[in-house]
Amino acid sequence: QVQLQESGPGLVKPSQTLSLTCTVSGGSIISSGGYYWSWIRQHPGKGLEWIGNIYYSGSTYYNPSLKSRITISVDTSKNHFSLKLSSVTAADTAVYYCARLRQYAFDIWGQGTMVTVSS
Amino acid sequence: DIQMTQSPSSLSASVGDRVTITCQASQDISTYLNWYQQKPGKAPKLLIYDASDLETGVPSRFSGGGSGTDFTLTISSLQPEDIATYYCQQYENLLFGQGTKLDIK
Repeated sequence: QVQLQESGPGLVKPSQTLSLTCTVSGGSIISSGGYYWSWIRQHPGKGLEWIGNIYYSGSTYYNPSLKSRITISVDTSKNHFSLKLSSVTAADTAVYYCARLRQYAFDIWGQGTMVTVSS
Repeated sequence: DIQMTQSPSSLSASVGDRVTITCQASQDISTYLNWYQQKPGKAPKLLIYDASDLETGVPSRFSGGGSGTDFTLTISSLQPEDIATYYCQQYENLLFGQGTKLDIK
């Protein structure tokens, strides 16, 4: 079955760029199911915030509140997709999840990775 | 933008109780709503999609209902393993509700 795994630095300095990768295993990111691939974050002790989605073709949809700082990309040859969040502050400290979006439902999630923004 | 309001924000119930959590949308969203369960330290898990369709593998004690602006997630007989935070999520901007924390009384 399809599994997702986030990877990337757990500590990022303020003003720098947060970079994470989500590797998809057990299935192809190019799927006949028409899935989108997503990033979601959760601030400590808080709720869930959708960051953005990408299709295997490269089409993206971003949360308007983060759009100016986000880039999501996909590498079909490596079966992974990535998140870059620029100009980070302490407010970007969160657990970052990648997930598969199946017709507007996040049906498969990675385990999440904690990213702390601190000098 | 469509806003989602969940209630209650927290809830204590006894094993075997019937538990209902509600989610209200600020405008009509038809049945474009999903429900998730998140246990401490774990990723969320999809329970219900399209307001009332049970995700494969989810126990049948979970059910969803509603349409338009008012939705419910019901656990027919609360089990100890159901202790978690529950979130609704609507389709238009993929916004989540603020969550309902459920624990055992």
